[in-house]
Amino acid sequence: AQRVTQPEKLLSVFKGAPVELKCNYSYSGSPELFWYVQYSRQRLQLLLRHISRESIKGFTADLNKGETSFHLKKPFAQEEDSAMYYCALSGQGAQKLVFGQGTRLTINP
Amino acid sequence: DAGVIQSPRHEVTEMGQEVTLRCKPISGHNSLFWYRQTMMRGLELLIYFNNNVPIDDSGMPEDRFSAKMPNASFSTLKIQPSEPRDSAVYFCASSLRGGGVGEQFFGPGTRLTVL
Repeated sequence: AQRVTQPEKLLSVFKGAPVELKCNYSYSGSPELFWYVQYSRQRLQLLLRHISRESIKGFTADLNKGETSFHLKKPFAQEEDSAMYYCALSGQGAQKLVFGQGTRLTINP
Repeated sequence: DAGVIQSPRHEVTEMGQEVTLRCKPISGHNSLFWYRQTMMRGLELLIYFNNNVPIDDSGMPEDRFSAKMPNASFSTLKIQPSEPRDSAVYFCASSLRGGGVGEQFFGPGTRLTVL
C-alpha cells in the first residue's frame, strides 16, 4: 500500500530561520515524490519533484530511500513561504497521486 | 487559459439533498481527478478518468457518490443523498497524460457544507 505521512500539521518558524517540513512514505516499489503548495487564496500547485533535483523558491528536497523520507528544506525562511504544503507520492509511471495530510507553515516576522 | 474551472465555489445544502459539483478541465488535458479535502483526512483521491473513462474509483466512499465524464471538457461529481459528514472541500484536477510527471493542475475547489 502507498502511504505518505507528514507528522507536523502545523509548523511555525521565524523569518530568516531554516525550515524543514518532514515527509515519510511507504511504498514497496520505486516511488516518485513531489511537494505541492497552496498559498492563501491560490490554487494547489506543484512546487517540486524529486526526479528534477531542482531548487524552487529556495526549497530543495532529497529523496532518501534508506529512511523512506522526502523532507522539504529551505535555509532561510521568508514570510511569503507561509502556506499549506503537501507531500505526494506516485508509483513509477503511475498517474495516481497519494497525498499526505499536509503541513501548514507559518513564517513569523 | 483560465485553468481548471469548478462550480459552484460554495454549496450549502441540507441533509438528504442531491448535490452536483462540476468541473471543466484544462483544454487538451486527457486526465481528470476528483479529490476531497478534510481536516481529519487531508487530501484524498476519489476517482480519476483517462480519456473520459473512469480508471480508478477505489476512493469513492460509498454508493451515494458517483462521477461522470460525458466528454473531454466536463465532469460531474454527484452525492445523493448528502450527509453532514460529506462536508469538505472538493477539488478537481487535470493533467496531460505523458506530460510532466506528477504535475496535476488543480481547480479552486468547491466548499460543500451539508447541514
